[in-house]
Parts: sequence; C-alpha cells; structure tokens
Amino acid sequence: AQTVTQSQPEMSVQEAETVTLSCTYDTSESDYYLFWYKQPPSRQMILVIRQEAYKQQNATENRFSVNFQKAAKSFSLKISDSQLGDAAMYFCAYRSNNFGNEKLTFGTGTRLTIIP
Amino acid sequence: DTGVSQNPRHKITKRGQNVTFRCDPISEHNRLYWYRQTLGQGPEFLTYFQNEAQLEKSRLLSDRFSAERPKGSFSTLEIQRTEQGDSAMYLCASSSAAGGSWTGELFFGEGSRLTVL
Repeated sequence: AQTVTQSQPEMSVQEAETVTLSCTYDTSESDYYLFWYKQPPSRQMILVIRQEAYKQQNATENRFSVNFQKAAKSFSLKISDSQLGDAAMYFCAYRSNNFGNEKLTFGTGTRLTIIP
Repeated sequence: DTGVSQNPRHKITKRGQNVTFRCDPISEHNRLYWYRQTLGQGPEFLTYFQNEAQLEKSRLLSDRFSAERPKGSFSTLEIQRTEQGDSAMYLCASSSAAGGSWTGELFFGEGSRLTVL
C-alpha cells in the first residue's frame, strides 16, 4: 500500500518570504500522480499543483513550484513571495495511475502560518 | 456553477442514531468521491462512484455505512447506529474525465461535520 508522509506538522514564514513544505511517499509503482492540496480554515480543499511521475520537469503554478525527486520519492512544495492568503493546511497526496484506481492517499498535512 | 455542495454542514447526534449526508457535485462531473477526515489527519478515502455505479469501497466503510448515487447525480452517505468513533468531517468531491482527459483534480465541498455524543 502507498503511504504519504509529511514530517512538518507546522511551519511559519514571514510575509513575502519563501517557504518549502516537505513530502515523501512510498510506492512500488512507476506511474502515478502527486498533488498538493490547500485547505484554508473552514473552507473547501483546493488543488494547488500536480505532478505526473513520468514528467521529469518540475511543475510550476505562479508562486508555487515543486521539487520532484522520483528516485528519492520526495515531492516538496515551494511557495515564493508568501502572502497572508496562503495560510492554510497543506496536504500532499498520491494517486496511482493504474486503471480503475481512483483513490487519493493523503499525508497528515502541514499547517502553514504567515507572519505579517 | 456553485461548486460541490454538502448538507448538512454540521450534525450532532446521539450514539446509536442514524445520520445521512447529501452531496451535490458539480453538474457535469461524472465521478464522485467520499472521504473522511478526523482531527489532525488527512482525508481518508471511503468510496467512489462513476455515474451511478459504486466502483470502489474502502475497508473503512463498515457495514454500518452505505452510499448511493441514484441516477448519477447527487449522492448520499448514510451511517447507521452511529458510534463516537464516527465523529469526523465527511468530505465529498467530484471530478470529470470529459473528452478522455483526466487532470487528476478533485473539487471538494466544504464538508459535513459529524459529532456523535
């Protein structure tokens, strides 16, 4: 079974600075997706960024980028120019690309605080 | 489109009672998912529908849990004979593979929080 580990329960960063959230995963599969989801307080979870395992290039979405290290099974999220609206729980998630497998496996999350 | 809608948002019940949650997905989405999230944990997969067919169920979904998606539109999650361990946030999400292209993005609702006394 796949597992996702987020070893940082809480992180804080000064507004406008850069922060990196860590995620490692365990799988025997070679074809899969990785995601970072953001869950603001009392609001729905939304997708921040996704990475397809067969793509070597790291995904980027505006201020958000990932460092995907497939051999090390590591998938960190970098947030540049942090803003107050970035304060949220961040969850790393894994999904196998095997046919019929629709399950997302989430980590335990990292609570990110932005310091004004 | 107003996104994924879940009702009720909060439910407090006594142990042993039955509860039902409803999820209305984004209208053109054919895939619907239920997850459970307990305090300090990430969401855990419960079950998945493609249209009206329930295609995957987690071991977490004991025989006290049942989910339906009649006509492939809204879905209900019923918990019978609730236990204190059922207290959690129940999240619904939907997605679409329109045109054969699936981005992997799930669109979540705000969740239904269950408290069992």
